[in-house]
Amino acid sequence: QVRLVQSGAEVKKPGSSVRVSCKASGDTFIKYAISWVRQAPGQGLEWMGGIMPIYKTVNYPEKLRGRVTISVNESTSTAYMELSSLTSADTAVYYCGREIRHGYNEGLVGYWGQGTLVTVSS
Amino acid sequence: EIVLTQSPATLSVSPGESASLSCRASQSLGVNLAWYQQKPGQTPRLIIYDASTRAAGIPAGFSGSGSRTEFTLTISSLQSEDFAVYYCQQYNNWPITFGQGTRLEI
Repeated sequence: QVRLVQSGAEVKKPGSSVRVSCKASGDTFIKYAISWVRQAPGQGLEWMGGIMPIYKTVNYPEKLRGRVTISVNESTSTAYMELSSLTSADTAVYYCGREIRHGYNEGLVGYWGQGTLVTVSS
Repeated sequence: EIVLTQSPATLSVSPGESASLSCRASQSLGVNLAWYQQKPGQTPRLIIYDASTRAAGIPAGFSGSGSRTEFTLTISSLQSEDFAVYYCQQYNNWPITFGQGTRLEI
């Protein structure tokens, strides 16, 4: 049974950073890529990047490159997403998700965390 | 980046009828396209990947078709639980991108 549990809601000031964690159950953590997807209020889905834990290789979209950092801690089966230089446009629900095919980093998410609301407000 | 255009934005259908949702890509994707369903307040749910493969646990009433730049999600005999927003996603090129969604309403 795959379960992803994310950290709790955050309220941040503009210009600050936020780090969201995503703890995975099971013993196959390193074999499956973890993606991060966000959804602004009332808006669609935006892929933020994905990491293959076994290689620690990461892919980011150009739009967020330089502001987003995705990492993993294999010993705790936890993935992290850190976003810096926050603005109100970063207010969104942030989801982590696990790939459906091991060894691939395609963003095909079959298992989702519960989501973490990040609110950026002065 | 590859742009996915979904149509229509909103589709109104009666329960028991079928629905066809379209996703058009700005470049060829081969068959590297997926569909997700999202209900209000819930996480997205993978429905179809590789253009036509149903994800685990997805009923046979959901089918995907298409290749290259034109894709369709067909839902036959709509049930009340099928009314949701549907997103297509391409994973043929970085960055991975989503369409803007189609709202399927009663």
